[in-house]
Amino acid sequence: DTAVSQTPKYLVTQMGNDKSIKCEQNLGHDTMYWYKQDSKKFLKIMFSYNNKELIINETVPNRFSPKSPDKAHLNLHINSLELGDSAVYFCASSPNGGAKPLHFGNGTRLTVT
Amino acid sequence: AQSVTQLDSQVPVFEEAPVELRCNYSSSVSVYLFWYVQYPNQGLQLLLKYLSGSTLVKGINGFEAEFNKSQTSFHLRKPSVHISDTAEYFCALQPGSSNTGKLIFGQGTTLQVKP
Repeated sequence: DTAVSQTPKYLVTQMGNDKSIKCEQNLGHDTMYWYKQDSKKFLKIMFSYNNKELIINETVPNRFSPKSPDKAHLNLHINSLELGDSAVYFCASSPNGGAKPLHFGNGTRLTVT
Repeated sequence: AQSVTQLDSQVPVFEEAPVELRCNYSSSVSVYLFWYVQYPNQGLQLLLKYLSGSTLVKGINGFEAEFNKSQTSFHLRKPSVHISDTAEYFCALQPGSSNTGKLIFGQGTTLQVKP
């Protein structure tokens, strides 16, 4: 029944490791996003995909690589994790076009030690 | 470039009192404006949105907001808050010329409702 679901909810890992976060939406939306929420709760867009095509890439390090196998899924792979990557990562989706609210998942709290 | 400023990082208020959370924006183009709420350990949920038309918009849970173009503001109000309204509130804008859906967020305001 969940509209936008992310897994895992919590992820604790060591520096240098590679990890992935998965996201799925069952709303039939064409556009999906990854947002990062830092320790001060500031939210910033990282990537956006429209129907499997990358449309927004906001100067995110190359260690972050999104992949969209189909328009209902958008995964985030992170290589060589660093302490500064610790944050909450939110997946979201929306219908095509502007003026459309985003629907957010419940977030993945990533802690890098 | 566009930006959103939420003027208060924390707003403590007693239960059943009125509250206003302030949001100002900066943009050289027309914008769409949104308020989202984030309850602890949850994702963001849309409270209300301003797209066009009436400047007073009503949302869920008894919240409303007023768009003021001359003041470039979009303040959120509720006449009587409940303990359950304790959460983080985010104001966000989307450039009217954009079709990417990208949201630019403010820094958030923590609403603390006390009994």
